[in-house]
Amino acid sequence: DTEVTQTPKHLVMGMTNKKSLKCEQHMGHRAMYWYKQKAKKPPELMFVYSYEKLSINESVPSRFSPECPNSSLLNLHLHALQPEDSALYLCASSRARDSGSPLHFGNGTRLTVT
Amino acid sequence: GQQVMQIPQYQHVQEGEDFTTYCNSSTTLSNIQWYKQRPGGHPVFLIQLVKSGEVKKQKRLTFQFGEAKKNSSLHITATQTTDVGTYFCAGPNETSGSRLTFGEGTQLTVNP
Repeated sequence: DTEVTQTPKHLVMGMTNKKSLKCEQHMGHRAMYWYKQKAKKPPELMFVYSYEKLSINESVPSRFSPECPNSSLLNLHLHALQPEDSALYLCASSRARDSGSPLHFGNGTRLTVT
Repeated sequence: GQQVMQIPQYQHVQEGEDFTTYCNSSTTLSNIQWYKQRPGGHPVFLIQLVKSGEVKKQKRLTFQFGEAKKNSSLHITATQTTDVGTYFCAGPNETSGSRLTFGEGTQLTVNP
């Protein structure tokens, strides 16, 4: 069981669709993250939020738009994606935005872009 | 830039055999973390090592942090089928501690 909840578990979308991924944590963590993971590869950092403010954007294309409505919620809005964006999208949280705080990952959303 | 290398990439063992994965960083790390990802699952935090030469044990798993804080290892004694998965090491990025640099992972399969 994970304390970071992600929905949906699976998502299939066309290249013209708009969809959103959602993430929630109730551990009081102040840092939240979006990672992208391709098969047989390590997670790749996309965005970091610290105290509800975007602190890191790893040069992610604008078709991915993150949002942090409050300290417990993190969204990732998707628009005009490409087939190569198909991957496992992982949300994570940590106590703080520092290297000493381990990451707690959600179950992920397996995204397929057709 | 900083690199975190992990070997081997794949390891197949018979149940009951031991297994070790090694992690090497091109830079000194303030800490190193280990994660396990089961097939079809998500990474799960296992442990964090902070001190030079530190050794920590979790049942059949033994984690070591090198004296120079640039390498680490995870050793599993008498593997079980429940140990199947990919093991990742991760260390803070040298330019931004809030970024973790993950190794490529070692995928472990255990034949019953």
